[in-house]
Amino acid sequence: DAGVIQSPRHEVTEMGQEVTLRCKPISGHNSLFWYRQTMMRGLELLIYFNNNVPIDDSGMPEDRFSAKMPNASFSTLKIQPSEPRDSAVYFCASSSTNQPQHFGDGTRLSIL
Amino acid sequence: GENVEQHPSTLSVQEGDSAVIKCTYSDSASNYFPWYKQELGKGPQLIIDIRSNVGEKKDQRIAVTLNKTAKHFSLHITETQPEDSAVYFCAGGSNYKLTFGKGTLLTVNP
Repeated sequence: DAGVIQSPRHEVTEMGQEVTLRCKPISGHNSLFWYRQTMMRGLELLIYFNNNVPIDDSGMPEDRFSAKMPNASFSTLKIQPSEPRDSAVYFCASSSTNQPQHFGDGTRLSIL
Repeated sequence: GENVEQHPSTLSVQEGDSAVIKCTYSDSASNYFPWYKQELGKGPQLIIDIRSNVGEKKDQRIAVTLNKTAKHFSLHITETQPEDSAVYFCAGGSNYKLTFGKGTLLTVNP
């Protein structure tokens, strides 16, 4: 069974550019989570969706960050405009009701 | 909100020895405590989890204990092997909102 699939695996871009990270959750899972991992702050929940609806976005750092889930098999996290302090590894995870979260292998984002 | 503290930040053991990682949490409403293992370049992988109505859970060489009164939980790995070397994270909260500890880098020396 395929796990959570994230793309791209690595992204290097210049400050001010728009960045779009993509996630395909495990088929049949109805919850999807976006996390950010940095050395300073560890692993932080940014936003989670249940049945494609955003439930809690209190972790989204600024209005420059937005996330969408147009259908059950796809989600995007967008940063516009990007800044060097956004450099981090971004993880997507998915789960089914009352089950553990399964993580993808992340997108390593570097903003120059 | 929830606050999860994890100790130690690094742990080095000899192959075959046991390793123990401890976490504390602050929110008494938290009812779900998973442990994840993260290898270099990979996402966190669930290794074991425990719910607040259970005091202990074991899966082969891995066990987790939970003390709700003291608000702490621990991961125990017995008979460690070099492939156990990784970063381990504890987390607390609910299935939908987890707060992670800062991680423990475990090194198992052959």
